[in-house]
Amino acid sequence: DAGVTQSPTHLIKTRGQQVTLRCSPKSGHDTVSWYQQALGQGPQFIFQYYEEEERQRGNFPDRFSGHQFPNYSSELNVNALLLGDSALYLCASSSPWGPGPYNEQFFGPGTRLTVL
Amino acid sequence: AQTVTQSQPEMSVQEAETVTLSCTYDTSESDYYLFWYKQPPSRQMILVIRQEAYKQQNATENRFSVNFQKAAKSFSLKISDSQLGDAAMYFCAFPTSGTYKYIFGTGTRLKVLA
Repeated sequence: DAGVTQSPTHLIKTRGQQVTLRCSPKSGHDTVSWYQQALGQGPQFIFQYYEEEERQRGNFPDRFSGHQFPNYSSELNVNALLLGDSALYLCASSSPWGPGPYNEQFFGPGTRLTVL
Repeated sequence: AQTVTQSQPEMSVQEAETVTLSCTYDTSESDYYLFWYKQPPSRQMILVIRQEAYKQQNATENRFSVNFQKAAKSFSLKISDSQLGDAAMYFCAFPTSGTYKYIFGTGTRLKVLA
């Protein structure tokens, strides 16, 4: 059973460009969350997708947007990249079964984004 | 506001010894869950242990156990018989009540010395 997968592994962009990161959830999971992890910090919640809708959003500007597809995979888009967007972007999926918001999240290996 | 604090940026432990990582949190809720996640150098974060706040008994998973003190809002992780493979960043995480947003602490880097 494949776990959470993310692509690409690494990405280098320049300021002002746009980037799309992709995530496939663990089999049987229908909920995808995205996190930004700056170097030496804990993950910061960006948003969560469920039933192809953004269900919850953290304190991130509108430059950060996402999408969830019918097969539950998800994309994270970041427009007008800033140097401060350089980070590890983690995707996490969770199951429809269990105590709702307290379901265990399964994380992918992340995408390392470098903005020059 | 709900917060999670890990006050130990780095800890070291000798192989086979025991180490305790600290975490404090703040919430006005009475029922919630707390998690410890491990992030090895390969980056993939995995769940170590979970505690349900309404349960009196501290959670245990093999060599990993927690000391959950609800009144003090403290949730420490004890690793017994430390192994080289335990070396990683450890994050305390708290799903905010009524939402799907997880709050993570800043992490503790654990070094295991041979």
